[in-house]
Amino acid sequence: AQSVTQLGSHVSVSEGALVLLRCNYSSSVPPYLFWYVQYPNQGLQLLLKYTSAATLVKGINGFEAEFKKSETSFHLTKPSAHMSDAAEYFCALRNAGGTSYGKLTFGQGTILTVHP
Amino acid sequence: NAGVTQTPKFRILKIGQSMTLQCTQDMNHNYMYWYRQDPGMGLKLIYYSVGAGITDKGEVPNGYNVSRSTTEDFPLRLELAAPSQTSVYFCASSYSASPSYEQYFGPGTRLTVT
Repeated sequence: AQSVTQLGSHVSVSEGALVLLRCNYSSSVPPYLFWYVQYPNQGLQLLLKYTSAATLVKGINGFEAEFKKSETSFHLTKPSAHMSDAAEYFCALRNAGGTSYGKLTFGQGTILTVHP
Repeated sequence: NAGVTQTPKFRILKIGQSMTLQCTQDMNHNYMYWYRQDPGMGLKLIYYSVGAGITDKGEVPNGYNVSRSTTEDFPLRLELAAPSQTSVYFCASSYSASPSYEQYFGPGTRLTVT
């Protein structure tokens, strides 16, 4: 069975500081990995995705993530936090096999708070 | 394109009542999904569909039913609502021809059962 674990349900940073949100996965087949962001009272918006091409993936709003197979990790980073980054972030996995029908397994979410 | 739309945005149900959550997408996506989101639990898949007339259970299907008569619509039916169904429900869609099957989400329906 596949699973996604996000380390830290809450992360707090100061404006301008580095943002690091951790995601580890477990999968018996090559995974596709995603980071989604959810602003209050809204749906989920895709930040970035890993689909077995480059291991360093750049997304929207200055975020990037690095796929590390040896560590089974896909951590999300941003060099300098902005107040508008405050939201909940979800890491998600889907198996690369065709019979997965695109189904996603989500982590528990990490709420990012940005202080002035 | 409107993307994925959901109605209603909010609803309060009494225990034992029934309701249908509506979901429509205008992107001609063949795959559609229903998730529920509970605090600290992430999103759990309720049901999914790979095309009109084809549906299958996800991780937490009990207490729900779905149908898919058209490519665009994927309603979720709650029969005999229970407090455990208090949650935020998200509909999503994706296109099987896209290598990553990237999912697009609707804005959600916040349901309270009392």
